[in-house]
Amino acid sequence: AQSVSQHNHHVILSEAASLELGCNYSYGGTVNLFWYVQYPGQHLQLLLKYFSGDPLVKGIKGFEAEFIKSKFSFNLRKPSVQWSDTAEYFCAVNGDNNAGNMLTFGGGTRLMVKP
Amino acid sequence: KAGVTQTPRYLIKTRGQQVTLSCSPISGHRSVSWYQQTPGQGLQFLFEYFSETQRNKGNFPGRFSGRQFSNSRSEMNVSTLELGDSALYLCASSPRGGGVTEAFFGQGTRLTVV
Repeated sequence: AQSVSQHNHHVILSEAASLELGCNYSYGGTVNLFWYVQYPGQHLQLLLKYFSGDPLVKGIKGFEAEFIKSKFSFNLRKPSVQWSDTAEYFCAVNGDNNAGNMLTFGGGTRLMVKP
Repeated sequence: KAGVTQTPRYLIKTRGQQVTLSCSPISGHRSVSWYQQTPGQGLQFLFEYFSETQRNKGNFPGRFSGRQFSNSRSEMNVSTLELGDSALYLCASSPRGGGVTEAFFGQGTRLTVV
């Protein structure tokens, strides 16, 4: 079975600060990795995804994530956050042990950006 | 292009009743997955349907069931509701059947069991 851990449950930053949210997964096979964001009152939206190739992936709104296979990690980064980045962020994994689109999510990280 | 549509948006049901939630995927998408989101357990996978067949199932009791129609629309049913079933139920659609694709989520149905 696969699992995902997000160690930071709540993060508070000031605008222009740098962001790094941790994500570690537990699965020995091939994985597809995702970061989703849920703004207040809105649906889950995809920030970025990793399927294969360059382990540094860039997403929307200036976000990027790095896949480090040896550490089973897929941390999310942004060099300078804005107030509008206030949201909950979810890391998710889809392992090759299932034939479909089953996602296992981490517990989420609530980010508050102070203006 | 219309997104994933879930109806109804809000529901209040009494313990012991049953409920049916509906999901219309993005046009052309054939895979539909359902998730339960609660403050305590987070986002948990319920099941996935592809071409009217259930392909994956999460660790939920048999009271939770679903189906998919030939037009890819999906419904999920919860029978004999319990207070703990109160949650946001999310539907996601994907264009293909394999894992190398992303899921697009709907706004969810907020179910409250009283």
